[in-house]
Amino acid sequence: NAGVTQTPKFQVLKTGQSMTLQCAQDMNHNSMYWYRQDPGMGLRLIYYSASEGTTDKGEVPNGYNVSRLNKREFSLRLESAAPSQTSVYFCASSLRGTGYLAGAYEQYFGPGTRLTVT
Amino acid sequence: AQSVAQPEDQVNVAEGNPLTVKCTYSVSGNPYLFWYVQYPNRGLQFLLKYITGDNLVKGSYGFEAEFNKSQTSFHLKKPSALVSDSALYFCAVRGNTGGFKTIFGAGTRLFVKA
Repeated sequence: NAGVTQTPKFQVLKTGQSMTLQCAQDMNHNSMYWYRQDPGMGLRLIYYSASEGTTDKGEVPNGYNVSRLNKREFSLRLESAAPSQTSVYFCASSLRGTGYLAGAYEQYFGPGTRLTVT
Repeated sequence: AQSVAQPEDQVNVAEGNPLTVKCTYSVSGNPYLFWYVQYPNRGLQFLLKYITGDNLVKGSYGFEAEFNKSQTSFHLKKPSALVSDSALYFCAVRGNTGGFKTIFGAGTRLFVKA
């Protein structure tokens, strides 16, 4: 049981280049998330997918796109990288409850991707 | 709008002493509250959560947290700190209106000195 896996671990891009960050989970979770972590700012939600077939914007979606490929996989794409996107990116997953318990479950995080845009 | 405040960037404590990491929140409706820990170059790990019921919640590695609705706080505590507890701690909140957006605090770095 690998939990949440992310590839690549490190990446350096030049401004304007594109790339896709891959994420997969083997815990049969319904919901998946992409965050970025910047010093002193905690984690900020980029996009999330409450269940297979749905995606929604988080706090900082500009410059990113996502694809929920199937229940296991949730990818994040940078179409034209900018230096402001230099960050550590984390994918996470969680169970999804029903009704008022829909958001009651904790998230499980991958090891992160450290991205530098020059 | 939801928000979380961790008023201390850093907490220093001697090994064997009790530790407290503070968290206050603002959310519409009843909150779901979480604590996560991050060790260097790792992803976040879940420690404990408050959903409903008993205000004192016990979690992993001997940590506990107390939910205080009137003070809108959810402070993380441990009776006796270990050097291995040194890490970055995040408080997080979700509203119970069915949404999935979790708001994280900026994090508090805990240093436990031997």
